[in-house]
Amino acid sequence: AQRVTQPEKLLSVFKGAPVELKCNYSYSGSPELFWYVQYSRQRLQLLLRHISRESIKGFTADLNKGETSFHLKKPFAQEEDSAMYYCALRAGQKVTFGTGTKLQVIP
Amino acid sequence: NAGVTQTPKFRILKIGQSMTLQCTQDMNHNYMYWYRQDPGMGLKLIYYSVGAGITDKGEVPNGYNVSRSTTEDFPLRLELAAPSQTSVYFCASSQKETDNSPLHFGNGTRLTVT
Repeated sequence: AQRVTQPEKLLSVFKGAPVELKCNYSYSGSPELFWYVQYSRQRLQLLLRHISRESIKGFTADLNKGETSFHLKKPFAQEEDSAMYYCALRAGQKVTFGTGTKLQVIP
Repeated sequence: NAGVTQTPKFRILKIGQSMTLQCTQDMNHNYMYWYRQDPGMGLKLIYYSVGAGITDKGEVPNGYNVSRSTTEDFPLRLELAAPSQTSVYFCASSQKETDNSPLHFGNGTRLTVT
């Protein structure tokens, strides 16, 4: 069975500081990994997916199969980045989420 | 396009009451999901469906039922509400399992059982 672990419930950083939200996974097959974000009073929405190798709102995430990680990074945090972030793994029809990390950017 | 629409937005139930959370999507997506979101617990999969007439259990199906009579609709039924079912419920859909299809979420239903 697949599993997604986000070790930090809360991450507080100052505006302009680098951000790294950790995500580790366990899955025997080839994973499809995603980051979703939930801003205050908004619905969950896709931030980025590993296969696209894209940068969205300054965020990037690299899949490291050796370390089974998919950490989310941004070099300079902005106040509008404050939100709840979820790492997710898709295995066939099922999508499993981590417990989420609340990012708080301090002005 | 409306995307994924959930109703109601809020509901308070008494223990033992029943209700149906509605979910509909207009994107012709095959896959639909129900999750519950509890503080500090992330999202837990309740049920999912890969197409009309097909449903399957997720991680936490006890106390819930679903049906998928059409591609668009995927209602979630609580037969005998319990305080442990107090949560925020999210419905989501996606196109298919390949091509890294992301989930599209509804706005959620906040349910309180007292």
